[in-house]
Amino acid sequence: GESVGLHLPTLSVQEGDNSIINCAYSNSASDYFIWYKQESGKGPQFIIDIRSNMDKRQGQRVTVLLNKTVKHLSLQIAATQPGDSAVYFCAGRNYGQNFVFGPGTRLSVLP
Amino acid sequence: DGGITQSPKYLFRKEGQNVTLSCEQNLNHDAMYWYRQDPGQGLRLIYYSQIVNDFQKGDIAEGYSVSREKKESFPLTVTSAQKNPTAFYLCASRGQYPLYEQYFGPGTRLTVT
Repeated sequence: GESVGLHLPTLSVQEGDNSIINCAYSNSASDYFIWYKQESGKGPQFIIDIRSNMDKRQGQRVTVLLNKTVKHLSLQIAATQPGDSAVYFCAGRNYGQNFVFGPGTRLSVLP
Repeated sequence: DGGITQSPKYLFRKEGQNVTLSCEQNLNHDAMYWYRQDPGQGLRLIYYSQIVNDFQKGDIAEGYSVSREKKESFPLTVTSAQKNPTAFYLCASRGQYPLYEQYFGPGTRLTVT
């Protein structure tokens, strides 16, 4: 079946450094992707999205890159802060169908 | 203040009892979803509803039931037939054309002993 997954289950970065979280997907028909941030015991929070007709999208301190050739997307967080510590996961949707979610990467920000 | 609310935040039940989890949204979204989250796994779809009085089974619907009598509400019942009900349950709703972005509620942690 189709899948969406992350390359690393955990990632530790120094405060102030940039973080890069990666995600791969299997279905080339996926047309829309969302990155979510989930803090412990809370619901996922929408961070940024990107459509398949785009390669890059920027938000506040976050950038999502989409490489459709290798079916890969990444979330870049600039100047990582302690409040960025959470689980991040990507979700991909196939033309009007439901989303498929990756298991998540736990980001730890070191002082 | 628009959003999705789920209640209660924590729920404890004895094995063999049915339990209903509440989900309400005031975003005027047509579509609503229920997911289950287990440690180390991606979200798994239980049920979804695209419109009032209509719903479809997701990937893991066995042991669960839903209703959609109002646009704002999509309650989930975890029945005694669900073999492993202890989990974190998340409700979501989906925005309108052209974005169709999906937003989540705060979740309900169900513990069955």
